[in-house]
Amino acid sequence: QSVLTQPPSASGTPGQRVTISCSGSSSNIGSNYVYWYQQLPGTAPKLLIYRNDQRPSGVPDRFSGSKSGTSASLAISGLRSEDEAVYYCASWDDSLSDYVFGTGAKVTVL
Amino acid sequence: EVQLVESGGGLVQPGGSLKLSCAASGFTFSDSPIHWVRQASGKGLEWVGRIRSKANSYATAFAASVKGRFTISRDDSKNTAYLQMNSLKTEDTAVYYCTRAITGTRGFDLWGQGTMVTVSS
Repeated sequence: QSVLTQPPSASGTPGQRVTISCSGSSSNIGSNYVYWYQQLPGTAPKLLIYRNDQRPSGVPDRFSGSKSGTSASLAISGLRSEDEAVYYCASWDDSLSDYVFGTGAKVTVL
Repeated sequence: EVQLVESGGGLVQPGGSLKLSCAASGFTFSDSPIHWVRQASGKGLEWVGRIRSKANSYATAFAASVKGRFTISRDDSKNTAYLQMNSLKTEDTAVYYCTRAITGTRGFDLWGQGTMVTVSS
């Protein structure tokens, strides 16, 4: 069972803004950076956000990350059909000495 | 082309061993920390472990679930990293990905296509 909790699903219509939350604790999100990954069906994950709010080169600015206390959020604005995927948050956990992933949230474009 | 390519997956009996390879190309492999992440069918992602660069003494770290059973090594002359898996359990069945971390971060910006490991009698 993951120590980072995400809602199992989120949805929106094209063009809408969708937000996915990631809840952790003081030993992970509260004291370490948060990362976000997108996994399209049948493919390897892709890094969307690193160090809480930084986008790697090539990631559209429709994707944004934020962190507050022991929680983090990923926002997708201008939702597109190609954004249908599972999104994972991740962080280092000082107590476990493990890199932990969230439970994953499936985004559906209606 | 910048890429990572895993190989070595297959079917192994419980208690057995398997060694996965991760071949890199298109970037300076020797400077890059390499991590392994696995995903059981229909499940989420699980970090397995990592190896740092020579500059960081090839330091390794592992998830609690595999500590003492798995080891990671690398051959910078061959641009290849390895995941040695011993005492395999049925719960180790998963797709195994090797990934590259952005230097100084734990953001995995390059992933291989994955290799399937099935532990079953």
